[in-house]
Amino acid sequence: GAVVSQHPSWVICKSGTSVKIECRSLDFQATTMFWYRQFPKQSLMLMATSNEGSKATYEQGVEKDKFLINHASLTLSTLTVTSAHPEDSSFYICSAEGANVLTFGAGSRLTVL
Amino acid sequence: GNSVTQMEGPVTLSEEAFLTINCTYTATGYPSLFWYVQYPGEGLQLLLKATKADDKGSNKGFEATYRKETTSFHLEKGSVQVSDSAVYFCALPSTSGTYKYIFGTGTRLKVLA
Repeated sequence: GAVVSQHPSWVICKSGTSVKIECRSLDFQATTMFWYRQFPKQSLMLMATSNEGSKATYEQGVEKDKFLINHASLTLSTLTVTSAHPEDSSFYICSAEGANVLTFGAGSRLTVL
Repeated sequence: GNSVTQMEGPVTLSEEAFLTINCTYTATGYPSLFWYVQYPGEGLQLLLKATKADDKGSNKGFEATYRKETTSFHLEKGSVQVSDSAVYFCALPSTSGTYKYIFGTGTRLKVLA
């Protein structure tokens, strides 16, 4: 079946630094990928929709300059949290659409000290 | 746009008990409906889905019936196991024909031996 890999699965960084999270579709081409943020009380918030070769579409209230999304190929989308702060600590999950199936990655836990 | 309301948890059951997790939706038309499961520390996995009214999705002993009369898609399992302990999310597309999903708030299930 379709597999989506996220890397790193967890990362700790210092406040003010930037962190990049990768989302790869391993055995299919994903024209569209989605990035979610999961808060401590488990609710999932859609952050943005990423389309290969074009700019991401951000949901209302999500800072596009803070959360940079790039979808340079049909198998890779990246989320970069710029100038991270402790309040950016969260679980980030990507999903990829391909062959009429939506597949989720295992998530990346970011902790900003 | 479409929306989904899910019962709040946590739900704590003894092994072999009957499980129901309620989910109701508001939608234009009859979009596909989904249940996703998230095991501790992992991403989301598709548990089951129904693509049209009166369809019943099933997987791993879980079932949910797409009921347009009550706009519901309740998740049920006749006999839960400790390994079913997880967070369950009801979901549907934000608008028809897209993979941009809207998730419920999630219901945490804890099954005790």
